Amino acid sequence: KQEVTQIPAALSVPEGENLVLNCSFTDSAIYNLQWFRQDPGKGLTSLLLIQSSQREQTSGRLNASLDKSSGRSTLYIAASQPGDSATYLCAASGSARQLTFGSGTQLTVLP
Amino acid sequence: DVKVTQSSRYLVKRTGEKVFLECVQDMDHENMFWYRQDPGLGLRLIYFSYDVKMKEKGDIPEGYSVSREKKERFSLILESASTNQTSMYLCASSPPQTGTWETQYFGPGTRLLVL
Repeated sequence: KQEVTQIPAALSVPEGENLVLNCSFTDSAIYNLQWFRQDPGKGLTSLLLIQSSQREQTSGRLNASLDKSSGRSTLYIAASQPGDSATYLCAASGSARQLTFGSGTQLTVLP
Repeated sequence: DVKVTQSSRYLVKRTGEKVFLECVQDMDHENMFWYRQDPGLGLRLIYFSYDVKMKEKGDIPEGYSVSREKKERFSLILESASTNQTSMYLCASSPPQTGTWETQYFGPGTRLLVL
């Protein structure tokens, strides 16, 4: 059974810093790896989706990478802003097309 | 834009009550999902549906049932609410290509408190 882990559970950085969020998964037989953002008390918003044949995806200041062989994905946020403060979740999509989620990293960007 | 709506943002119910959580999507998506989210546990899949009147158990279906009579609506039912079902419930929908190049679209969530 797929297990997805995100470390650290919480992260606090000063504004302007570049940062990396980590995600690891146990089963490399995935269709894709997705990163979501969740604001307090809200639903999830999809940020980036990396298909299994891809190595990375970029959207604005966000860059996500995927290394299936090592079971790892990273989300890189450049020049962080207070508006980036949220919980970031990664999710792996397996053969049943279901998503297995990590428990998230709560990011706080201090002004 | 895809829109997934959930009938209530907050609900307070008593132990033993029958609880209905409603989810509606407006993008004609075939797939719909119900998750619960608890601190430190992430999102866990309760039930999902690939088509009208079809349902599949997720990872934690015990104590829950679902109904999908129309394509756009997916209901989660707590037959007899218990305090351990206090949680944030999230509904999602997706087109058939989900799992490859399509993502899931989430509603705003329903925070349920069972007393």
